[in-house]
Amino acid sequence: NAGVTQTPKFQVLKTGQSMTLQCAQDMNHEYMSWYRQDPGMGLRLIHYSVGAGITDQGEVPNGYNVSRSTTEDFPLRLLSAAPSQTSVYFCASSSSYMNTEAFFGQGTRLTVV
Amino acid sequence: AQSVAQPEDQVNVAEGNPLTVKCTYSVSGNPYLFWYVQYPNRGLQFLLKYITGDNLVKGSYGFEAEFNKSQTSFHLKKPSALVSDSALYFCAVRNGNSWGKFQFGAGTQVVVTP
Repeated sequence: NAGVTQTPKFQVLKTGQSMTLQCAQDMNHEYMSWYRQDPGMGLRLIHYSVGAGITDQGEVPNGYNVSRSTTEDFPLRLLSAAPSQTSVYFCASSSSYMNTEAFFGQGTRLTVV
Repeated sequence: AQSVAQPEDQVNVAEGNPLTVKCTYSVSGNPYLFWYVQYPNRGLQFLLKYITGDNLVKGSYGFEAEFNKSQTSFHLKKPSALVSDSALYFCAVRNGNSWGKFQFGAGTQVVVTP
C-alpha cells in the first residue's frame, strides 16, 4: 500500500517557468489537500478538494491552480513561478469522516531562482 | 473559524526527563484534534488523535496527549524523552464546519540532549 505519493522530490525552476507537482493516493480518500511549509509558519493550506470535480481555495492560493478529475490524483500547478514560491510542498489525503487523520506524502522541495 | 496555537517555538529537554509540547485550539462545534511529528526531510507522521471519550489519549512511540475542554488545550506528553524524539511536532484541529479542513499550528521544535 503506497499511501500518498508525490513527485518530484526536488525541483529547481527559473522565475516565470511553470510546472506541475503530482500527487496520487491509493486509499480511496475523498479529501485531498496541498500545503506549503515555510520556516516558522507551519503548514499553510493552498488548495483542497472534497471529491472528484470539487476544489476550493485555502489560505494561500495565489499563483497556484488545481483540478481533480479522479479520486486518486490531485496535481498542483504553478502557473508562473516566483521566488516567493520557494518552499516545501506537501500533499495530504484523508477520509471525509471528521474523526480520521490525514496521510502525508514525502514532500517536494521547490526552489525558484 | 478554527485556529491552533503552539506557544513554544522550541522545547529543550534532557534525555530521560518528561517532555511536554503545548497546544491550544479554537473551533466551533466538536473538535477533532491530532498530533503529528516531522523528522528532517520527511513528511508528517501521525502520532495520535482525540475524537471523544477518555481525555487521555495514547499514541505511537510512547506519546500521549491530554484533552482539556475547559482550557481548550491538547498537550502532547512523553514520560521519558529519548534523543530520537528530537523532531518538529505539529498540532492540528479538524471539524465539520469547515469542510473537514485541517488547521495546523506553527510547529514546535523538540530538542532532546543526551
